[in-house]
Amino acid sequence: AQSVSQHNHHVILSEAASLELGCNYSYGGTVNLFWYVQYPGQHLQLLLKYFSGDPLVKGIKGFEAEFIKSKFSFNLRKPSVQWSDTAEYFCAVNANDMRFGAGTRLTVKP
Amino acid sequence: DGGITQSPKYLFRKEGQNVTLSCEQNLNHDAMYWYRQDPGQGLRLIYYSQIVNDFQKGDIAEGYSVSREKKESFPLTVTSAQKNPTAFYLCASSKGGPGGGNIQYFGAGTRLSVL
Repeated sequence: AQSVSQHNHHVILSEAASLELGCNYSYGGTVNLFWYVQYPGQHLQLLLKYFSGDPLVKGIKGFEAEFIKSKFSFNLRKPSVQWSDTAEYFCAVNANDMRFGAGTRLTVKP
Repeated sequence: DGGITQSPKYLFRKEGQNVTLSCEQNLNHDAMYWYRQDPGQGLRLIYYSQIVNDFQKGDIAEGYSVSREKKESFPLTVTSAQKNPTAFYLCASSKGGPGGGNIQYFGAGTRLSVL
């Protein structure tokens, strides 16, 4: 079965800083990749997904992620974070089933 | 307003007691899932169901039971055999099964604590 690793447990940034959250997975076959976000007190919701085609995918709220097959990575990026981006972010890999990473808590200081 | 409804939002369990968490969806999805979320461990799959009257164990099924008598409903029972039940429980659903890139949609969760 596939596994997912998120390297950063807690990231603290100031507003307007750039963000990159790492996600690596282990699986030799074709995968579908997701980033989910959980804002404080809210549902886990889909931020963006990659199934095929252009490895650079754009999601909601200015987020994007790049699939690098050779590195088994799907890192999440945002050029300039806002205080409202404070949340927990989960990478997920889907092959035969869905596997989630441990999550990265992002705190954005105003 | 389509979505997934979990109830209650907070639940307390006494020692030796079974408790049942409710999950209802009106998205007409075939598959439903239960995850357990613990700090620093992400989401771990407890059980999932792809069709009515059928369900499969996930990675951490011990101490839990489920039923799927209706397409819309997938209740989770935390039994007394689950020795560490304190966690945040998330229910999800998807149009197709757990593979094939089917997007999973989540409820707001139930936080279970032991008294």
